[in-house]
Amino acid sequence: GQQLNQSPQSMFIQEGEDVSMNCTSSSIFNTWLWYKQDPGEGPVLLIALYKAGELTSNGRLTAQFGITRKDSFLNISASIPSDVGIYFCAGPRGTDKLIFGTGTRLQVFP
Amino acid sequence: ETGVTQSPTHLIKTRGQQVTLRCSSQSGHNTVSWYQQALGQGPQFIFQYYREEENGRGNFPPRFSGLQFPNYSSELNVNALELDDSALYLCASSLDPDTHYNEQFFGPGTRLTVL
Repeated sequence: GQQLNQSPQSMFIQEGEDVSMNCTSSSIFNTWLWYKQDPGEGPVLLIALYKAGELTSNGRLTAQFGITRKDSFLNISASIPSDVGIYFCAGPRGTDKLIFGTGTRLQVFP
Repeated sequence: ETGVTQSPTHLIKTRGQQVTLRCSSQSGHNTVSWYQQALGQGPQFIFQYYREEENGRGNFPPRFSGLQFPNYSSELNVNALELDDSALYLCASSLDPDTHYNEQFFGPGTRLTVL
């Protein structure tokens, strides 16, 4: 099925470092979503972006909606151990389905 | 407010068997979507139910079917199980599908293993 491409695939960082990840698509989206998934859990919405060029923050998280509408970026500042997990970007197609990215696995070392 | 719940948590079946997974939507939500998440992948949309009818379907064969009940809970049925059906099955609930996207809230998933 169709998926969005995320990079990097995985990251191993030290606590306190900043993190950047991105998501690209071959087609445009009018909404970009960023989710975090912990082991054994469902994805939890972190940030939603609704407008090209929009920059939105949620605590230490900041996400941007690319101006081409084909990409989005997520930054995490001053990482902490509980940031560990898999981060997915997603975009809706119509009013029913979400297209998810391939995921970025984040590991934070103390 | 009750979140999305799914049952069972884990399930082991053999090839050729049939399975039914259940989902209760978040309070106030009338739309349920199902996703399949293979190991190391992002979730893939299976279908969505609204007002007890299918309201959109992904690229899954007819042996994947569903139901939605008047209380908005939902079932996912998979017939003639194949090894590749082994995955985490996620249910998500949301408000009326309208002209814009409504946030989907996910349950913890059911881990299905097919041997």
